[in-house]
Amino acid sequence: AQTVTQSQPEMSVQEAETVTLSCTYDTSESDYYLFWYKQPPSRQMILVIRQEAYKQQNATENRFSVNFQKAAKSFSLKISDSQLGDAAMYFCAYRPGANSKLTFGKGITLSVRP
Amino acid sequence: EAGVVQSPRYKIIEKKQPVAFWCNPISGHNTLYWYLQNLGQGPELLIRYENEEAVDDSQLPKDRFSAERLKGVDSTLKIQPAELGDSAVYLCASSNPTGELFFGEGSRLTVL
Repeated sequence: AQTVTQSQPEMSVQEAETVTLSCTYDTSESDYYLFWYKQPPSRQMILVIRQEAYKQQNATENRFSVNFQKAAKSFSLKISDSQLGDAAMYFCAYRPGANSKLTFGKGITLSVRP
Repeated sequence: EAGVVQSPRYKIIEKKQPVAFWCNPISGHNTLYWYLQNLGQGPELLIRYENEEAVDDSQLPKDRFSAERLKGVDSTLKIQPAELGDSAVYLCASSNPTGELFFGEGSRLTVL
């Protein structure tokens, strides 16, 4: 069974600083997809960034980038130049195929200090 | 383009009462998901549809939960009878052909 582990329940970052959120996963698949989702207090989950396991290059979306270590089964999210609007719960998620089950970690609450 | 629409946003009921949640996915999205999210936890899949077919309902507690997607578009999730432990947020999502999920705002259920 696939599992996704987010061991840090909470993190805090100063505005304009950089923060890294950790995620590890367990799978026997060789090809899969990894995601980071953001859930602000309004509760609508939105996609932040995705990574295909077959791609060696780390995904980047503006201030958000990932450090994908396939052998270590690690998938961390780096947020640069943190903004107040980045405060939310962040979920790491795994999916073995294009339209198969998406498994989430427990999430991490990120707060941004002004 | 309209997003995933869910209703009601909030529902408070007494235990043992029935409750239903409705979801309208993004137009053209064939795959629809219902997730359960407990407070402070990640969402857990209840059921996944491909068009009108439930392709993964292994996590759906079938003694009290049911779901349908009769015409392969909108979907309804029902709980009967509700229990105290069912208090949670019920999230609906749909995915495009590349597999990217789009979520609704969720339906928050409180069972008293």
